[in-house]
Amino acid sequence: AQSVAQPEDQVNVAEGNPLTVKCTYSVSGNPYLFWYVQYPNRGLQFLLKYITGDNLVKGSYGFEAEFNKSQTSFHLKKPSALVSDSALYFCAVRDRTGRRALTFGSGTRLQVQP
Amino acid sequence: DVKVTQSSRYLVKRTGEKVFLECVQDMDHENMFWYRQDPGLGLRLIYFSYDVKMKEKGDIPEGYSVSREKKERFSLILESASTNQTSMYLCASSGAFSGETQYFGPGTRLLVL
Repeated sequence: AQSVAQPEDQVNVAEGNPLTVKCTYSVSGNPYLFWYVQYPNRGLQFLLKYITGDNLVKGSYGFEAEFNKSQTSFHLKKPSALVSDSALYFCAVRDRTGRRALTFGSGTRLQVQP
Repeated sequence: DVKVTQSSRYLVKRTGEKVFLECVQDMDHENMFWYRQDPGLGLRLIYFSYDVKMKEKGDIPEGYSVSREKKERFSLILESASTNQTSMYLCASSGAFSGETQYFGPGTRLLVL
Protein backbone atom coordinates (compact mmCIF):
# COMPACT_ATOMS: atom_id res chain seq x y z
CA ALA A 1 0.00 0.00 0.00
CA GLN A 2 1.15 3.52 -0.66
CA SER A 3 0.70 6.54 1.59
CA VAL A 4 1.64 10.19 1.92
CA ALA A 5 2.11 12.27 5.05
CA GLN A 6 1.98 16.04 5.16
CA PRO A 7 2.80 16.66 8.82
CA GLU A 8 1.77 20.32 8.92
CA ASP A 9 -1.85 21.39 8.55
CA GLN A 10 -0.75 24.97 8.07
CA VAL A 11 2.48 26.81 7.30
CA ASN A 12 2.81 30.54 7.92
CA VAL A 13 5.55 32.57 6.29
CA ALA A 14 6.23 36.25 5.68
CA GLU A 15 6.29 37.56 2.13
CA GLY A 16 9.83 37.48 0.73
CA ASN A 17 10.98 34.69 3.04
CA PRO A 18 11.74 31.17 1.83
CA LEU A 19 9.01 28.58 2.28
CA THR A 20 9.01 24.82 2.73
CA VAL A 21 6.02 22.49 2.68
CA LYS A 22 6.90 19.01 3.89
CA CYS A 23 5.94 15.67 2.40
CA THR A 24 7.04 12.12 3.18
CA TYR A 25 5.82 9.03 1.39
CA SER A 26 5.69 5.27 1.56
CA VAL A 27 5.56 2.97 -1.46
CA SER A 28 6.69 -0.59 -2.05
CA GLY A 29 8.82 0.26 -5.07
CA ASN A 30 10.16 3.39 -6.71
CA PRO A 31 7.83 6.36 -6.62
CA TYR A 32 6.42 8.93 -8.92
CA LEU A 33 5.86 12.08 -6.83
CA PHE A 34 3.67 15.09 -7.52
CA TRP A 35 2.77 18.45 -6.04
CA TYR A 36 -0.52 20.19 -6.72
CA VAL A 37 -1.94 23.52 -5.56
CA GLN A 38 -5.59 24.38 -4.96
CA TYR A 39 -6.98 27.90 -4.79
CA PRO A 40 -10.38 28.50 -3.10
CA ASN A 41 -13.30 26.81 -4.87
CA ARG A 42 -11.08 25.56 -7.66
CA GLY A 43 -9.76 22.22 -8.84
CA LEU A 44 -6.17 21.11 -8.36
CA GLN A 45 -3.43 22.65 -10.50
CA PHE A 46 -0.27 20.68 -11.27
CA LEU A 47 2.96 22.25 -9.97
CA LEU A 48 5.70 19.71 -10.56
CA LYS A 49 6.60 16.03 -10.52
CA TYR A 50 9.52 13.70 -10.00
CA ILE A 51 9.75 10.82 -12.45
CA THR A 52 13.43 10.00 -12.71
CA GLY A 53 16.82 11.67 -13.04
CA ASP A 54 17.82 14.83 -11.20
CA ASN A 55 16.60 14.84 -7.63
CA LEU A 56 15.86 18.57 -7.75
CA VAL A 57 12.74 19.25 -9.76
CA LYS A 58 11.72 22.73 -10.87
CA GLY A 59 8.10 23.56 -11.53
CA SER A 60 5.60 26.32 -12.10
CA TYR A 61 5.58 29.74 -10.36
CA GLY A 62 9.16 29.38 -9.04
CA PHE A 63 8.47 26.28 -6.96
CA GLU A 64 10.90 23.39 -6.70
CA ALA A 65 11.06 20.10 -4.81
CA GLU A 66 13.84 17.75 -3.85
CA PHE A 67 13.44 13.99 -3.99
CA ASN A 68 15.32 12.35 -1.12
CA LYS A 69 15.15 8.58 -1.39
CA SER A 70 16.89 7.80 1.90
CA GLN A 71 14.49 10.01 3.85
CA THR A 72 11.51 9.16 1.61
CA SER A 73 10.75 12.85 1.34
CA PHE A 74 9.70 15.26 -1.39
CA HIS A 75 9.52 18.70 0.23
CA LEU A 76 8.21 21.66 -1.75
CA LYS A 77 10.27 24.85 -1.62
CA LYS A 78 10.34 28.39 -2.92
CA PRO A 79 13.15 30.88 -2.28
CA SER A 80 10.89 33.93 -1.85
CA ALA A 81 7.21 33.62 -0.96
CA LEU A 82 4.47 35.80 -2.45
CA VAL A 83 1.10 36.63 -0.89
CA SER A 84 -0.46 35.08 -4.00
CA ASP A 85 1.15 31.72 -3.07
CA SER A 86 -1.38 31.40 -0.24
CA ALA A 87 -3.35 28.26 -1.05
CA LEU A 88 -3.79 24.58 -0.21
CA TYR A 89 -0.94 22.30 -1.31
CA PHE A 90 -1.18 18.57 -1.90
CA CYS A 91 1.60 16.03 -2.25
CA ALA A 92 0.78 12.80 -4.10
CA VAL A 93 2.55 9.52 -4.85
CA ARG A 94 2.12 6.46 -6.96
CA ASP A 95 4.11 3.29 -7.22
CA ARG A 96 5.59 2.80 -10.68
CA THR A 97 4.15 -0.68 -10.98
CA GLY A 98 1.03 -0.31 -8.91
CA ARG A 99 -2.41 1.09 -9.60
CA ARG A 100 -2.75 4.06 -11.91
CA ALA A 101 -4.33 6.42 -9.40
CA LEU A 102 -2.46 8.78 -7.12
CA THR A 103 -2.53 8.65 -3.33
CA PHE A 104 -2.77 12.13 -1.84
CA GLY A 105 -1.70 13.62 1.45
CA SER A 106 -4.17 15.49 3.61
CA GLY A 107 -2.98 18.87 2.36
CA THR A 108 -1.09 21.81 3.87
CA ARG A 109 -2.52 25.30 3.93
CA LEU A 110 0.14 27.91 3.15
CA GLN A 111 -0.49 31.40 4.48
CA VAL A 112 1.87 34.12 3.29
CA GLN A 113 1.62 37.32 5.29
CA PRO A 114 2.39 40.69 3.68
CA ASP B 1 -3.92 23.02 -22.83
CA VAL B 2 -5.61 20.06 -21.27
CA LYS B 3 -9.19 20.78 -20.39
CA VAL B 4 -11.28 18.76 -17.96
CA THR B 5 -14.80 20.02 -17.46
CA GLN B 6 -17.45 19.00 -14.94
CA SER B 7 -21.13 19.44 -15.56
CA SER B 8 -21.94 21.45 -12.44
CA ARG B 9 -19.98 23.61 -10.01
CA TYR B 10 -22.62 23.45 -7.29
CA LEU B 11 -25.42 20.94 -6.77
CA VAL B 12 -28.08 20.58 -4.09
CA LYS B 13 -29.96 17.28 -3.85
CA ARG B 14 -32.28 15.56 -1.40
CA THR B 15 -31.60 12.32 0.44
CA GLY B 16 -32.55 9.33 -1.67
CA GLU B 17 -32.24 11.08 -5.03
CA LYS B 18 -30.16 9.58 -7.83
CA VAL B 19 -27.37 11.98 -8.72
CA PHE B 20 -25.28 12.11 -11.89
CA LEU B 21 -21.97 13.94 -12.07
CA GLU B 22 -20.46 14.25 -15.52
CA CYS B 23 -16.85 14.79 -16.52
CA VAL B 24 -15.46 15.42 -19.99
CA GLN B 25 -11.82 15.67 -21.10
CA ASP B 26 -10.54 16.86 -24.45
CA MET B 27 -7.06 15.29 -24.55
CA ASP B 28 -7.89 11.76 -25.66
CA HIS B 29 -6.65 10.47 -22.29
CA GLU B 30 -6.99 6.78 -21.52
CA ASN B 31 -7.31 7.16 -17.75
CA MET B 32 -10.06 9.00 -15.89
CA PHE B 33 -10.63 9.28 -12.15
CA TRP B 34 -13.20 10.38 -9.61
CA TYR B 35 -12.04 11.63 -6.20
CA ARG B 36 -13.85 13.19 -3.31
CA GLN B 37 -12.24 15.86 -1.19
CA ASP B 38 -13.09 16.41 2.47
CA PRO B 39 -11.33 18.76 4.91
CA GLY B 40 -8.42 17.09 6.68
CA LEU B 41 -8.71 13.93 4.57
CA GLY B 42 -7.20 15.12 1.31
CA LEU B 43 -8.45 13.46 -1.86
CA ARG B 44 -9.75 9.91 -1.78
CA LEU B 45 -10.21 7.81 -4.88
CA ILE B 46 -13.75 6.59 -5.57
CA TYR B 47 -13.35 4.90 -8.96
CA PHE B 48 -11.14 5.07 -11.98
CA SER B 49 -11.33 3.92 -15.57
CA TYR B 50 -8.43 2.97 -17.82
CA ASP B 51 -10.43 2.40 -20.98
CA VAL B 52 -13.95 2.63 -22.35
CA LYS B 53 -16.29 0.39 -20.36
CA MET B 54 -13.42 -0.56 -18.02
CA LYS B 55 -13.40 0.49 -14.38
CA GLU B 56 -11.77 -0.30 -11.08
CA LYS B 57 -12.86 0.44 -7.55
CA GLY B 58 -10.87 2.92 -5.58
CA ASP B 59 -10.63 3.30 -1.83
CA ILE B 60 -14.21 4.40 -1.11
CA PRO B 61 -16.55 3.00 -3.81
CA GLU B 62 -19.50 2.22 -1.53
CA GLY B 63 -22.64 4.08 -2.54
CA TYR B 64 -21.21 5.08 -5.94
CA SER B 65 -21.10 3.65 -9.43
CA VAL B 66 -19.52 4.90 -12.67
CA SER B 67 -20.05 4.75 -16.38
CA ARG B 68 -17.66 5.24 -19.26
CA GLU B 69 -19.35 4.69 -22.59
CA LYS B 70 -17.11 7.07 -24.54
CA LYS B 71 -13.42 7.75 -24.08
CA GLU B 72 -13.85 11.42 -23.29
CA ARG B 73 -16.67 11.09 -20.76
CA PHE B 74 -16.71 9.58 -17.28
CA SER B 75 -19.82 9.74 -15.12
CA LEU B 76 -20.15 9.28 -11.38
CA ILE B 77 -23.51 8.10 -10.11
CA LEU B 78 -24.81 8.30 -6.57
CA GLU B 79 -27.49 5.64 -6.60
CA SER B 80 -29.33 6.99 -3.55
CA ALA B 81 -27.77 10.13 -2.19
CA SER B 82 -27.13 10.36 1.52
CA THR B 83 -26.03 13.28 3.71
CA ASN B 84 -22.60 11.72 4.23
CA GLN B 85 -22.00 12.10 0.51
CA THR B 86 -21.98 15.88 0.88
CA SER B 87 -18.53 16.73 -0.42
CA MET B 88 -16.41 18.21 -3.19
CA TYR B 89 -16.09 15.84 -6.14
CA LEU B 90 -13.10 16.12 -8.43
CA CYS B 91 -12.61 14.47 -11.79
CA ALA B 92 -9.18 13.96 -13.35
CA SER B 93 -7.68 12.45 -16.48
CA SER B 94 -4.23 11.31 -17.59
CA GLY B 95 -2.51 9.56 -20.45
CA ALA B 96 -1.54 5.91 -20.45
CA PHE B 97 2.14 6.28 -19.48
CA SER B 98 2.58 5.50 -15.79
CA GLY B 99 4.30 8.81 -14.99
CA GLU B 100 1.71 10.94 -16.72
CA THR B 101 0.37 13.98 -14.92
CA GLN B 102 -3.26 13.89 -13.81
CA TYR B 103 -5.22 16.98 -14.81
CA PHE B 104 -8.19 18.02 -12.73
CA GLY B 105 -11.53 19.59 -13.43
CA PRO B 106 -12.85 22.53 -11.36
CA GLY B 107 -14.83 20.29 -9.02
CA THR B 108 -18.50 19.90 -8.12
CA ARG B 109 -19.57 20.88 -4.64
CA LEU B 110 -22.49 18.61 -3.73
CA LEU B 111 -24.80 19.26 -0.83
CA VAL B 112 -27.24 16.50 0.12
CA LEU B 113 -30.07 17.63 2.35
